Amino acid sequence: DAGITQSPRHKVTETGTPVTLRCHQTENHRYMYWYRQDPGHGLRLIHYSYGVKDTDKGEVSDGYSVSRSKTEDFLLTLESATSSQTSVYFCAINGQGGPAGYTFGSGTRLTVV
Amino acid sequence: DAKTTQPNSMESNEEEPVHLPCNHSTISGTDYIHWYRQLPSQGPEYVIHGLTSNVNNRMASLAIAEDRKSSTLILHRATLRDAAVYYCILRGYNTDKLIFGTGTRLQVFP
Repeated sequence: DAGITQSPRHKVTETGTPVTLRCHQTENHRYMYWYRQDPGHGLRLIHYSYGVKDTDKGEVSDGYSVSRSKTEDFLLTLESATSSQTSVYFCAINGQGGPAGYTFGSGTRLTVV
Repeated sequence: DAKTTQPNSMESNEEEPVHLPCNHSTISGTDYIHWYRQLPSQGPEYVIHGLTSNVNNRMASLAIAEDRKSSTLILHRATLRDAAVYYCILRGYNTDKLIFGTGTRLQVFP
C-alpha cells in the first residue's frame, strides 16, 4: 500500500467523551481528506485539508473538527462523541489535486456506546 | 456537484467480461470521470479515470460516450477478487473534493 496509515483501527468509546483519530502519510502529499461510511450512504466527506493549517468543511462536518499542523498528519476530533457518529472512518490523500487518483487508508471502525 | 446514476447491483461469472454502466447526463466540460472500487472491509481503491477518450490500464478499461453523458467500466475477465462495490464519480478539474454515490455492488460467481 501507499504510505498512509490510520490509527486506531478499532475504538469503542462512551457517549460524551472526546475522540481523536489520526491519519499519517509518508508521501508528502498536499491534500488529505476524512470520510465516514455508513450503510446506505456510501462515503461522505467530513473535512479536508489542502495544506498545513488549511482546512475546509465537507458534506457532514457538524460535530467534527480537524487539525493539520504538519504535512504528514491529519487529525479528526469528535469533541463529544454521540451514537450517531458510530461509523467507519476513512482517510485519503491526493498529491496533485486536479484529476489525479486518491489513495485511501484502511479505515477506523468507531463505536460510540 | 454533477450526479451519477449506477445500477445498485450486477452479477457476473468468473472469467467473463463485465460492463458496469454509469449515467452522468449533467456532466460539465471540465468534469473528469473517475472510477473507484471498494473490496469488503477495505478502503476504496482507485481504478481509472478519463475525460473524453477511452482509457486502458492494467486493471480495467473506461469507455466514454461521445456526448460524455455516460460511461462504462469494463473488466475484461472477471475474477472472484473483483467482487466489490464500484463507484463512478465526476470530479471537476479544479475541485479538490471527491463525492461518492452508493455505487454498484458486483457479485462474481465461480
